[in-house]
Amino acid sequence: KAGVTQTPRYLIKTRGQQVTLSCSPISGHRSVSWYQQTPGQGLQFLFEYFSETQRNKGNFPGRFSGRQFSNSRSEMNVSTLELGDSALYLCASGMDRGNSPLHFGNGTRLTVT
Amino acid sequence: DQQVKQNSPSLSVQEGRISILNCDYTNSMFDYFLWYKKYPAEGPTFLISISSIKDKNEDGRFTVFLNKSAKHLSLHIVPSQPGDSAVYFCAASSVSGTSYGKLTFGQGTILTVHP
Repeated sequence: KAGVTQTPRYLIKTRGQQVTLSCSPISGHRSVSWYQQTPGQGLQFLFEYFSETQRNKGNFPGRFSGRQFSNSRSEMNVSTLELGDSALYLCASGMDRGNSPLHFGNGTRLTVT
Repeated sequence: DQQVKQNSPSLSVQEGRISILNCDYTNSMFDYFLWYKKYPAEGPTFLISISSIKDKNEDGRFTVFLNKSAKHLSLHIVPSQPGDSAVYFCAASSVSGTSYGKLTFGQGTILTVHP
């Protein structure tokens, strides 16, 4: 079974630009979550999607948004990029039932210059 | 407000000995706890989990212990191997509600296993 796939692996953008990251969950997983990892803040929850609906949202500004498609694939978008948005963005998928873990992709490394 | 804490930034252990990684939490609503292992430039890899209705769960060399009254969990690795060297993250969630995909992570502990 293929794991969680994230594209692209690396991205370099300039301040003020916008970026879209993509995530394909494990087959059969309907819950997709996004996380940001930075050296200072650690791993922080961005949002979760289930059945094309955002179910939970973390404490991030409205510049961070996402969506989920009918095949459970998900995208996240960051508009008006700031230097502080440089981070590893991780996608995770799960079966959305109690006591089943989330499985993570290898992430997209975003650098904002 | 750090709801999940790993107070030891690093741990160094000899090959063959036991590694014990600790984690404390403050939110009483957490009912599912997980440990992940992470290498640089890769995503976290799921290791083992435990539900709040249990106090111990084993999987091969890995055992997780949960003390609900103390709001404390620990991961034991026996015997430790050099390949176990990585960053270990403790995470918690409230699966009984609608927060299945929302994990709260600790800051991580760097484990180094010396040959």
